[in-house]
Amino acid sequence: AQSVTQPDIHITVSEGASLELRCNYSYGATPYLFWYVQSPGQGLQLLLKYFSGDTLVQGIKGFEAEFKRSQSSFNLRKPSVHWSDAAEYFCAVGAGSGGSNYKLTFGKGTLLTVNP
Amino acid sequence: GAVVSQHPSWVICKSGTSVKIECRSLDFQATTMFWYRQFPKQSLMLMATSNEGSKATYEQGVEKDKFLINHASLTLSTLTVTSAHPEDSSFYICSANYNEQFFGPGTRLTVL
Repeated sequence: AQSVTQPDIHITVSEGASLELRCNYSYGATPYLFWYVQSPGQGLQLLLKYFSGDTLVQGIKGFEAEFKRSQSSFNLRKPSVHWSDAAEYFCAVGAGSGGSNYKLTFGKGTLLTVNP
Repeated sequence: GAVVSQHPSWVICKSGTSVKIECRSLDFQATTMFWYRQFPKQSLMLMATSNEGSKATYEQGVEKDKFLINHASLTLSTLTVTSAHPEDSSFYICSANYNEQFFGPGTRLTVL
């Protein structure tokens, strides 16, 4: 069965600083990998996803993530954090027969606090 | 983008009662919807896969008689928590497939 580990429960950065959120996965085949953001009281919004191809994936809101098969990692990065980025971030791995009909397994999330 | 709604957004009920939560895809049709549960400060756990016109597929450890799922149309799936107890209090989130999974805003259930 697949699993996702987000080692950092809570990260605090200053506005304008760079950000990296860590994600490690366990899955027997080539994974579908995702990063979602959840603001208080809101649903999950997809930031970016990796299915295949270029291992550096660009997403919305200036985020990017790099798939490293050798390290089983899919870390999320942003060069300059904005106060509005404060939220909970979830890494997820999708398993299924392809297309969009996959089951998602989520990590426990990383809470991002942004200091002014 | 595709929009998924949930109703109600929050509900408080007495122990022993049943609660129905609706998940609707507003501008697309979804043959498959998923139901997740999220405890405070924890991750989302997949409860079941809801397929239009057929029985839902439940994840291991999820009681299908407790959490009844009905996917009656291509735009609506419902989750009914039967004989709810305080331990069922949680945040329930649905998602619907449309090239990717789009998530609803969630329903906060509190059982007194």
